[in-house]
Amino acid sequence: AQKITQTQPGMFVQEKEAVTLDCTYDTSDPSYGLFWYKQPSSGEMIFLIYQGSYDQQNATEGRYSLNFQKARKSANLVISASQLGDSAMYFCAMREGRSWGSQGNLIFGKGTKLSVKP
Amino acid sequence: GAVVSQHPSRVICKSGTSVKIECRSLDFQATTMFWYRQFPKKSLMLMATSNEGSKATYEQGVEKDKFLINHASLTLSTLTVTSAHPEDSSFYICSAKPPAGTEAFFGQGTRLTVV
Repeated sequence: AQKITQTQPGMFVQEKEAVTLDCTYDTSDPSYGLFWYKQPSSGEMIFLIYQGSYDQQNATEGRYSLNFQKARKSANLVISASQLGDSAMYFCAMREGRSWGSQGNLIFGKGTKLSVKP
Repeated sequence: GAVVSQHPSRVICKSGTSVKIECRSLDFQATTMFWYRQFPKKSLMLMATSNEGSKATYEQGVEKDKFLINHASLTLSTLTVTSAHPEDSSFYICSAKPPAGTEAFFGQGTRLTVV
């Protein structure tokens, strides 16, 4: 079974509107972290936002917010006021376990390609 | 934020030759670095975990003799693709996480084309 599922291969959004990118995860570990990365066509991976499994509140970073629903094992990314520069691939990722203190690789979903229309 | 630098960003090599890719943590020490491979329009797949001063840990299906990893210092890990073939053409990207914090930082990635 996939650990990270992103069901939207591609999404379109009108400039200045909000968009939600879906992500569900599967883990039996009570301690985990959820990440969203943006990958523009240049290939670099840009960290956007992080949510810890024990965090009580949803994470927010500027125009990015994470809708964390622990019981449903979902961690959707909400981008408000979309900009043309937001067009890119977006990856949801998870790090399991308490070993992330200094280690811990990330498990990635397949990604969602977001296109912002002017 | 912390910086991870990867070099080269793009390389074209002939089939049968070897290519070395460097991953450096510029402002923190990384006892562990990770090497990922990304096929076009696909997700990142972990290839191996690079451990400073010891052998790398490879994921299932990744050939150790083909993808040589050396982590000789706390700030440098190298991935050498040996006897490269066209099917090794891909985007390779490394990451490392500072001891404090939760965020993993990625290098710029290396686009390898084997002709």
